[in-house]
Amino acid sequence: DAGITQSPRHKVTETGTPVTLRCHQTENHRYMYWYRQDPGHGLRLIHYSYGVKDTDKGEVSDGYSVSRSKTEDFLLTLESATSSQTSVYFCAISEHSGQGRDTEAFFGQGTRLTVV
Amino acid sequence: GENVEQHPSTLSVQEGDSAVIKCTYSDSASNYFPWYKQELGKGPQLIIDIRSNVGEKKDQRIAVTLNKTAKHFSLHITETQPEDSAVYFCAAKGNQFYFGTGTSLTVIP
Repeated sequence: DAGITQSPRHKVTETGTPVTLRCHQTENHRYMYWYRQDPGHGLRLIHYSYGVKDTDKGEVSDGYSVSRSKTEDFLLTLESATSSQTSVYFCAISEHSGQGRDTEAFFGQGTRLTVV
Repeated sequence: GENVEQHPSTLSVQEGDSAVIKCTYSDSASNYFPWYKQELGKGPQLIIDIRSNVGEKKDQRIAVTLNKTAKHFSLHITETQPEDSAVYFCAAKGNQFYFGTGTSLTVIP
C-alpha cells in the first residue's frame, strides 16, 4: 500500500467551527488531492496541489482552503463548518501528470467528518 | 471540464456470471482511464487501467475496453466471486482525475 496517512479518521464538529484535516505521504509524489465522497456523487475534487505552495481549486472548492508547506503534507481546512460539509474526505497522491506519463492515484483510508 | 457518467449504479449477479460496468466521458483530451474498487470503510484501490493508445487490456478475470471515438470505456469481470462485491469507480484523466458516480456490485453466492 502507498504510504498515505489521513488524520483524524473520524471527527464530529459543531456548525461554525474551523476544522483541519491532514494528509501525510511518504512516497514523495508531486501531486496531492482532496476529494469528498457523498452518496450519488462519487468522488468530487475539492482542491489539489502540484508542488509545495502550488495549489488549485477543484469542482467543489467553496468553503474549503488548502495548504502545502512541505512535499509530504497537504492540509484541508473548513473555515466555518456547515452541515453540508458532512462527508467522507479522501486524500490521494499521484506521481506524474503529463501526456503518456500518467499513473494511478493512490488513496488514503478516508476521514469521516460529521458537522452537527 | 470533464464529465464522467457511469452505469449502472447498482448491479447484482450470480456467482460465476459476468459483470459489465460502462462509463462515458466528454473531454477528448482525457488520455488515462483507471478503474477503482472500494470496499466498505476503505479508500479506493486501482484494479486496472488503460491508456488512450490502447483499445483493450486484460488482467486475469478483469478486462477493460476503450472506444476513443465514442468516448466509452467499460469494465468486464468474468467468473465473478463473492469477494468481487464492492463499489467500483471509473475515472478519466486529462489534467485531473474525474470520477464516475460508482457502481455497487453484489455477487450472490
